[in-house]
Amino acid sequence: DTEVTQTPKHLVMGMTNKKSLKCEQHMGHRAMYWYKQKAKKPPELMFVYSYEKLSINESVPSRFSPECPNSSLLNLHLHALQPEDSALYLCASSLLEGLAGGPGETQYFGPGTRLLVL
Amino acid sequence: GDSVTQMEGPVTLSEEAFLTINCTYTATGYPSLFWYVQYPGEGLQLLLKATKADDKGSNKGFEATYRKETTSFHLEKGSVQVSDSAVYFCALRPSGYSTLTFGKGTMLLVSP
Repeated sequence: DTEVTQTPKHLVMGMTNKKSLKCEQHMGHRAMYWYKQKAKKPPELMFVYSYEKLSINESVPSRFSPECPNSSLLNLHLHALQPEDSALYLCASSLLEGLAGGPGETQYFGPGTRLLVL
Repeated sequence: GDSVTQMEGPVTLSEEAFLTINCTYTATGYPSLFWYVQYPGEGLQLLLKATKADDKGSNKGFEATYRKETTSFHLEKGSVQVSDSAVYFCALRPSGYSTLTFGKGTMLLVSP
């Protein structure tokens, strides 16, 4: 089973709202990722967690706040977003991260949360 | 830095036609190479991968061969179906790193 689940599937929020995106995997993967994908573009990496610790932050604005409460869960807390933050937010996981990962280390993606900021 | 270049789309084909989507890359060392597919309104699904030179990845009738001499990983399928209509992303993962570098994606449209 290579399933990564994400909730909610769709989210509409105002610029003053606080909301959270949730991602879950039960494959025993120890690396988890958040990506942002705009229409007709490839995914852009936002954050990487390795063994529940933040490993990479690609200079993402502080209105996006990731959290990894355990090895199966990854959250993305959203606050004071802008309309340009509207996008598909994808979560992914892989067995290991960085040098610990062997050749062919594969990232498995969830279905995404489609976010609209009004 | 590392980069992936894919042919511009959309690629429009009739059902049962032969498909080639070109992908070339620039990277140091020996990256792993991947093709992901994204159906409308969905996330990315791994289609196939190859980890070293001359490896051939295959899945669901799709194939791609890791060609180090031409730094290419072209995707092919002998007979496409309407259900293959999607966006295809070529990606590389540098050796020792987990981050993926994606190409811009190629949209494939297959008509009956």
